[in-house]
Amino acid sequence: GAVVSQHPSRVICKSGTSVKIECRSLDFQATTMFWYRQFPKQSLMLMATSNEGSKATYEQGVEKDKFLINHASLTLSTLTVTSAHPEDSSFYICSGDGNTEAFFGQGTRLTVV
Amino acid sequence: SQQGEEDPQALSIQEGENATMNCSYKTSINNLQWYRQNSGRGLVHLILIRSNEREKHSGRLRVTLDTSKKSSSLLITASRAADTASYFCATKSPLTGGYNKLIFGAGTRLAVHP
Repeated sequence: GAVVSQHPSRVICKSGTSVKIECRSLDFQATTMFWYRQFPKQSLMLMATSNEGSKATYEQGVEKDKFLINHASLTLSTLTVTSAHPEDSSFYICSGDGNTEAFFGQGTRLTVV
Repeated sequence: SQQGEEDPQALSIQEGENATMNCSYKTSINNLQWYRQNSGRGLVHLILIRSNEREKHSGRLRVTLDTSKKSSSLLITASRAADTASYFCATKSPLTGGYNKLIFGAGTRLAVHP
């Protein structure tokens, strides 16, 4: 299957700082990518749909100014958690849109202290 | 938003036994997919079953789909310790257009003991 590389795998940051998470499609062009958040022992909650060259579409309840998404090329989407707070600590996962299945990055464990 | 429910939430079995996980969903679908997630990692696609299919096999995996009941099951036969992971069903709805926007079930945490 296709490969999606997500970086970093782990990050610890101080409250009030911003953190950028990158998601790259290595062997296919991802016009659309999805960003999910996952709490311990829970399922994936879709945060937003990232579209190359246009604004992201956010799910209800997700603050677009808090979670900035940029999809400037067909192979790269970034999620920036701005002014991070401890409640933003979570596991963030991206996926690229395949013809049938989705291809997921390895995930980023964000800890805000 | 999640639309699927899965049961059981957790399943603990011995190696060699079969593991069955169930998933229910709420809206009409194009297809239903099963994914596996090892702890702290991303998801790996296991198998896809289309809405006009009733059963599908892939190695030790068997998936069934009952669109009248809006439910699916995943059977892992002859389980191994390496099968220990969380398993999620995900549905793609025609409402989401051409995007592969997936709605995930709650997941089943499977533990296979040697």
